[in-house]
Amino acid sequence: EVQLVQSGAEVKKPGESLKISCKGSGYSFTSYWIGWVRQMPGKGLEWMGIIYPGDSDTRYSPSFQGQVTISADKSISTAYLQWSSLKASDTAMYYCARHDPGTLGAFDIWGQGTMVTVSS
Amino acid sequence: SYELTQPPSVSVSPGQTASITCSGDKLGDKYACWYQQKPGQSPVLVIYQDSKRPSGIPERFSGSNSGNTATLTISGTQAMDEADYYCQAWDTDVVFGGGTKLTVL
Repeated sequence: EVQLVQSGAEVKKPGESLKISCKGSGYSFTSYWIGWVRQMPGKGLEWMGIIYPGDSDTRYSPSFQGQVTISADKSISTAYLQWSSLKASDTAMYYCARHDPGTLGAFDIWGQGTMVTVSS
Repeated sequence: SYELTQPPSVSVSPGQTASITCSGDKLGDKYACWYQQKPGQSPVLVIYQDSKRPSGIPERFSGSNSGNTATLTISGTQAMDEADYYCQAWDTDVVFGGGTKLTVL
């Protein structure tokens, strides 16, 4: 079964760092882009960026450039999203999703989401 | 930056046809896709490449894209189709529409 499994919920304080993960299985992890999507409470989907684990080519949404870092470790089929200094406004659900080139632009498989709560 | 605009809400009676629009400049020149998201769940791809259905998506879901508007159509809408729907396209970056809450009443 093709799936993306994300790390568990996190509760952090402002200023702390955080790295969440997304592990792919059931397919060739290095052959598909992995994107990250933010969903703030009660709000819509926002694209953050995307990485190609095969060569770590990474692209960021202008809205998130410099705010987060996307990386991948192909040896363990895992993509990451990290913050160096969290803010309360980073409180949101974060999804990873696989981009299938065969769908010409769509994300066909989604992780279950990681809820990040930032509160003092 | 490129923007996609969706109506915040659409209502439909059970068994009727629901249409959800997504507007963007020359959207018809790009490929549009649609996601369904139910409360507390991850998004699910229901239409890609304007009009194709992934495996497992019911035939009542269909899509079109022309000019400045992509449309998701749900024929014979069922109560289980009540959800938020998001359109998405690629410009220089990935772009999502703001989402439409479909109410089946």
